[in-house]
Amino acid sequence: EPEVTQTPSHQVTQMGQEVILRCVPISNHLYFYWYRQILGQKVEFLVSFYNNEISEKSEIFDDQFSVERPDGSNFTLKIRSTKLEDSAMYFCASSVQGNGYTFGSGTRLTVV
Amino acid sequence: QQPVQSPQAVILREGEDAVINCSSSKALYSVHWYRQKHGEAPVFLMILLKGGEQKGHDKISASFNEKKQQSSLYLTASQLSYSGTYFCGTAGTGNQFYFGTGTSLTVIP
Repeated sequence: EPEVTQTPSHQVTQMGQEVILRCVPISNHLYFYWYRQILGQKVEFLVSFYNNEISEKSEIFDDQFSVERPDGSNFTLKIRSTKLEDSAMYFCASSVQGNGYTFGSGTRLTVV
Repeated sequence: QQPVQSPQAVILREGEDAVINCSSSKALYSVHWYRQKHGEAPVFLMILLKGGEQKGHDKISASFNEKKQQSSLYLTASQLSYSGTYFCGTAGTGNQFYFGTGTSLTVIP
């Protein structure tokens, strides 16, 4: 069964450092998303991406965040200067619009 | 914008039934349901695309009342494997998609 792949599974970084979280969506999916889940809390929408541009973003997705699809297969989330409160599980998802979203297994980001 | 789910938590004995409700203040164009096990990614259960639609998968089914901007997930004859946190997800216009507040379901023997 096709799956969304995320790497790394766990990233530890120092406050102020830049991190890049990587995702390989399902190959025939056209819509890509990043979500975040702080431990024990709800899943929060960050951004959606379609046709090589951001289509929607939440208030969480401020100037320190950016997304890119550099090579037609990878979909990355960059956090420029990490803060302690960025520690969370980050999920990538992809979809064919109108169908369910397939989530990756997540990257646990720990900012110390 | 975030849909509200009720109840927040429920504990069932194996074989009992449960209903989880999802309610939005905004117009809904579709409703998705997911289950998340602790430490894992959400797993898609089903999507309802139009008002009045009902769907079922095994002993889990859902309904979507477009006019009331509500959806309900029905779990019948619950099994231990049903334990987890259930999220509804609602799509409005564009590509916004928001998860509900979540319902923790625990099934005990």
